Order: sequence, then C-alpha cells, then structure tokens
Amino acid sequence: GESVGLHLPTLSVQEGDNSIINCAYSNSASDYFIWYKQESGKGPQFIIDIRSNMDKRQGQRVTVLLNKTVKHLSLQIAATQPGDSAVYFCADYTGGFKTIFGAGTRLFVKA
Amino acid sequence: NAGVTQTPKFQVLKTGQSMTLQCAQDMNHNSMYWYRQDPGMGLRLIYYSASEGTTDKGEVPNGYNVSRLNKREFSLRLESAAPSQTSVYFCASSTHQETQYFGPGTRLLVL
Repeated sequence: GESVGLHLPTLSVQEGDNSIINCAYSNSASDYFIWYKQESGKGPQFIIDIRSNMDKRQGQRVTVLLNKTVKHLSLQIAATQPGDSAVYFCADYTGGFKTIFGAGTRLFVKA
Repeated sequence: NAGVTQTPKFQVLKTGQSMTLQCAQDMNHNSMYWYRQDPGMGLRLIYYSASEGTTDKGEVPNGYNVSRLNKREFSLRLESAAPSQTSVYFCASSTHQETQYFGPGTRLLVL
C-alpha cells in the first residue's frame, strides 16, 4: 500500500546550524506534499507545501526539495533556533480526501 | 479567529463507557476530519465530512461514529470505549482538500 516514511526518528542539531529532515513516499502519482510541525502537546501546524511540478520551494527560513525520480522530499531549516524543536512530518495528498502522514522526526535543538 | 477548537483536552474512560469529542472551526471551511495519532505512527483518518450534511469513513472507522452538526461543528462519538482506542485525537478542517488545519487534540485514556 501507499506509505510515507521518514529516514530518522530523531535529529539533534546545534542552535544556529541548518537542519535537514528527510521523507520518502511510495506513490509515484502523488501530486502534492505538505510539511507539518507539531510542538509538544499541540496539533500539527502547516509549514510549507510543494506540488509535483516543482523541485524546490522556499519559505521563511524553510526550504522544501522534491526529487520525484527517487520519490524523496526534504525540509531544510536555516539557522535552527530553540523554537524549532518539535516533531516534523511530511504528508502526501493522494487525491479526494486522502492524505498519508508520515510518523515524524523529532528535532532537538541544542543551545 | 480561534481556528479549530476541541473539547475536552483530556479524558479518562473505563472500558465500555461512551463519550463524545467535540470540534468546532470558525474559518468557514467546508470539510472537516477526525484523526487519531498513536506513538510511532502517522495520523490515521477515522472519519471525514466533505461538506455539511455528509460524512464518510476513513481508514480506521470501527468503534466510532460522527455527526456533522452544522458547518462549524463535527463531533466524534465512542459508543463503547476499548483500551485500543487510547490515543490522541485531532480534528482538522480545510477549504481545499489538500491543506488541513488542526485543533490542539484530545488525549484519551481508556482503562
């Protein structure tokens, strides 16, 4: 079946460094991907999205890269701050009302 | 705007008890969703409502019922709670099907 997975369950970075969180998906027909941030005790929060006709999209301090050839996307956070500590997960909108969510990578930011 | 609100925040039930989780959104979104989040797993869709007056099963509907009371409100009912339903429940809403906005969650423990 379809799946969305993340390469690492946890990632620890030094404050000020760049963070890269990776995600793999299985459905080659997927058209739209979303990254969410979930802080402890809170609901997921939309960060950035990308459509399959794009390779890269930039937001404020975040960049998402999409490699359709290997069905991989990544979230890059520039100059990581303590407030970036959270679980990040990718989501694959497959059509209709179906979105497949990855399990998430927990990002720890060391001061 | 409050966005998506959920009540209660926490609940402890005994096996066999019933309860209703409430969700409301003030963003005038057409679609609403109920998910459960379990450790090590991505969000799984329980039920969704594409628009007022309609509801449909998601990936894991067994043991649950829903009501789309009006455009703002979408409730989730557990008729006879089981320990397997211990989870964190998130309500979400969307205008377009792709990007969903989540509530803060309800943490449910079934003993």
